[in-house]
Amino acid sequence: GQSLEQPSEVTAVEGAIVQINCTYQTSGFYGLSWYQQHDGGAPTFLSYNGLDGLEETGRFSSFLSRSDSYGYLLLQELQMKDSASYFCAVRDRKGSGNTGKLIFGQGTTLQVKP
Amino acid sequence: NAGVTQTPKFQVLKTGQSMTLQCAQDMNHEYMSWYRQDPGMGLRLIHYSVGAGITDQGEVPNGYNVSRSTTEDFPLRLLSAAPSQTSVYFCASSYRGAARGGLTPLHFGNGTRLTVT
Repeated sequence: GQSLEQPSEVTAVEGAIVQINCTYQTSGFYGLSWYQQHDGGAPTFLSYNGLDGLEETGRFSSFLSRSDSYGYLLLQELQMKDSASYFCAVRDRKGSGNTGKLIFGQGTTLQVKP
Repeated sequence: NAGVTQTPKFQVLKTGQSMTLQCAQDMNHEYMSWYRQDPGMGLRLIHYSVGAGITDQGEVPNGYNVSRSTTEDFPLRLLSAAPSQTSVYFCASSYRGAARGGLTPLHFGNGTRLTVT
């Protein structure tokens, strides 16, 4: 089966850089995604890594190392609005082809302080 | 473009009652799925569908039924509500994409907050 581990909470100050780690165990690997969820809201897609290396989207970057079964989300120039939960997710291996099924980690709550 | 619409937003049920959570998307996405979210548990997949007439079970399917008669709609039925089904339910859709190893972004609805007493 699949399992993902991420820290439950991270705290940082406004303007700083924070890294949220995710380690995974999967029977087949099809890429790592990241989602953001504000309190009371719906998850929204942030980024995807299918190959090793860094993907950058504005202040957010995501990194993947397939050999280490490890990835991270890097948030730069933190703003108060970045306070949210962040989830890593992998595709469920069961079945063939693209099924749209994602398995999520338990989420990391990021608190940004002034 | 409404995206993914879930109704109702809030619902209180008594143990043993049944109900249907509605989900509709207007993006012509092939894939739709239902997740439940409990504190500290992340998002857990209940059921999913890869197209009209095709559904399959996720991680936690017991106590729930789904059907997909059209591309747009994917209702979730609670057969006999139990307090353990108190949760926030999210419906999501995504398009079929050959790229990204199958990880096309999920678009989520705003959720249904269900309490079973």
